Amino acid sequence: DAKTTQPTSMDCAEGRAANLPCNHSTISGNEYVYWYRQIHSQGPQYIIHGLKNNETNEMASLIITEDRKSSTLILPHATLRDTAVYYCIVGYNFNKFYFGSGTKLNVKP
Amino acid sequence: SAVISQKPSRDICQRGTSLTIQCQVDSQVTMMFWYRQQPGQSLTLIATANQGSEATYESGFVIDKFPISRPNLTFSTLTVSNMSPEDSSIYLCSVERDFHNNEQFFGPGTRLTVL
Repeated sequence: DAKTTQPTSMDCAEGRAANLPCNHSTISGNEYVYWYRQIHSQGPQYIIHGLKNNETNEMASLIITEDRKSSTLILPHATLRDTAVYYCIVGYNFNKFYFGSGTKLNVKP
Repeated sequence: SAVISQKPSRDICQRGTSLTIQCQVDSQVTMMFWYRQQPGQSLTLIATANQGSEATYESGFVIDKFPISRPNLTFSTLTVSNMSPEDSSIYLCSVERDFHNNEQFFGPGTRLTVL
């Protein structure tokens, strides 16, 4: 069963930062936080993951609270191509992914 | 990242028939997974496909309905048996590419319509 809760949908203006929250209050000490997105029913695309520290890559930043019970995915300059369903997942190494409902991000011009 | 292909990309099938979906990876991987995504829904894990052993099925999924093969470290098949319209979904395979971080990479999916 999914261990995360996310808002159903969010809007963001093109060029602005998109901040997508995720609650994972039952996360265990060794579980990672992963973010994926799915565009037009294509296969989900990996974005970023983290354990405790904040992470940044070329796509996004991941901010994990100190108690690890929530996190925020930040797309610094959203474009229309970032319109997608964003999934936050928690899991162990070699564990299976249980997807929640995700957040539908609508980037508007 | 891993390059994953699935065949067929889409199919329309008749009720009562079976369809086998193939998943091919460009490199050896330990773990392969099969998911189902019903229309307008999120992804649901069907089973974990392990090389050299039987697949491990999630609650609500059984081997008779979704037999899985994993003959080697780069290939797996999922069969959807005795199909009904409720089986109309996108079926996706994924692989665990990075041993240490449990990163999974997904195939493009197979869109199945059952009439």
